Amino acid sequence: QKEVEQNSGPLSVPEGAIASLNCTYSDRGSQSFFWYRQYSGKSPELIMSIYSNGDKEDGRFTAQLNKASQYVSLLIRDSQPSDSATYLCAAPTNTGNQFYFGTGTSLTVIP
Amino acid sequence: EPEVTQTPSHQVTQMGQEVILRCVPISNHLYFYWYRQILGQKVEFLVSFYNNEISEKSEIFDDQFSVERPDGSNFTLKIRSTKLEDSAMYFCASSYQGTGANSPLHFGNGTRLTVT
Repeated sequence: QKEVEQNSGPLSVPEGAIASLNCTYSDRGSQSFFWYRQYSGKSPELIMSIYSNGDKEDGRFTAQLNKASQYVSLLIRDSQPSDSATYLCAAPTNTGNQFYFGTGTSLTVIP
Repeated sequence: EPEVTQTPSHQVTQMGQEVILRCVPISNHLYFYWYRQILGQKVEFLVSFYNNEISEKSEIFDDQFSVERPDGSNFTLKIRSTKLEDSAMYFCASSYQGTGANSPLHFGNGTRLTVT
């Protein structure tokens, strides 16, 4: 069973709209979750982390965690063409010795 | 802002040759990782390293692979007898407290390995 699962997309939104990216996880013991952005040919770049149930906001980004539903999401408000990238959800594995990455969701923001 | 540094950015090698990929993690980080990403595919875990020993390795990380921290700053991945299927982007990453709540991974820019 995959520890973290994402819809691979592609997801397309018009510029200025809200992009919603989703991730589910299997290990109920998972405590922390991370969203990374990866441009084509580049390395993953940390956007946000979330540890507590509820919402966490940072600029145009909001991460949401629902531990009861084992669900993590990332909302991008006022989407810009520069937000076009693949977004990776990551969580520590139950061994605590590595992070497991989802397959990523490809986002395209259309000008 | 401190960053993870990887060299070289691109390595081309012939099948059967040995390659060493080099990384300088963030200086106060204690946990080190190698991941790889085959073109168009997901980021895959290879190995984690703490306190001068391997913490965990994946099925990919077989006897062909080895890691070393030869001094206080470098962290290397050696691939012996490279195969065509080893062609991928290899990412080094480090974290301060392993997989703790406030301890995300910080990635280097990657080494693109091409085996011909």
